[in-house]
Amino acid sequence: NAGVTQTPKFQVLKTGQSMTLQCAQDMNHEYMSWYRQDPGMGLRLIHYSVGAGITDQGEVPNGYNVSRSTTEDFPLRLLSAAPSQTSVYFCASSYSIALFTGELFFGEGSRLTVL
Amino acid sequence: GQQVMQIPQYQHVQEGEDFTTYCNSSTTLSNIQWYKQRPGGHPVFLIQLVKSGEVKKQKRLTFQFGEAKKNSSLHITATQTTDVGTYFCAGFTGGGNKLTFGTGTQLKVEL
Repeated sequence: NAGVTQTPKFQVLKTGQSMTLQCAQDMNHEYMSWYRQDPGMGLRLIHYSVGAGITDQGEVPNGYNVSRSTTEDFPLRLLSAAPSQTSVYFCASSYSIALFTGELFFGEGSRLTVL
Repeated sequence: GQQVMQIPQYQHVQEGEDFTTYCNSSTTLSNIQWYKQRPGGHPVFLIQLVKSGEVKKQKRLTFQFGEAKKNSSLHITATQTTDVGTYFCAGFTGGGNKLTFGTGTQLKVEL
């Protein structure tokens, strides 16, 4: 049981490049989300999904796309990378769609640097 | 939008001293969760509080939810080096599925 798996763990991009951060969970969780973590700003929600085929925007969605074609996978796409997107990205999932009854399980994070 | 602030941002203590972090929300919360992130690691769930005025304990950790459900605190008694990390509160306002995290308190424990 691997939990939440993120790849890659580290990535360096040039401004304007695109890339996809992968997230997979093997816990049959309906809820999946992406957060970015920046010093002094905590964890900010980018996008989330309450089930396959359903996605919604979080607090800081600009510059990012997501899709949820399966329960297991929730990739995050950077369309045209900018230095402001340099951050640590965390994928998190929960067995509960209504978060007031569930906890988030986090992946190990993906550290992205945009030059 | 909902804002969740934590104070202090940083705290250095000597091992054996107590530590408290405070979490304040701009809106009433349905529940509040606490997470711990070790240096270089990922956040790990500690506990959830749901009821107004609720107090829960986990060994040396005491969690409290305010009467108005807009604030919370985490108190650690007699800190140990294993307590090092960043502690986050996270609030859920209901009517949606967005868990808003606080800014975090980084705890360093010196021998």
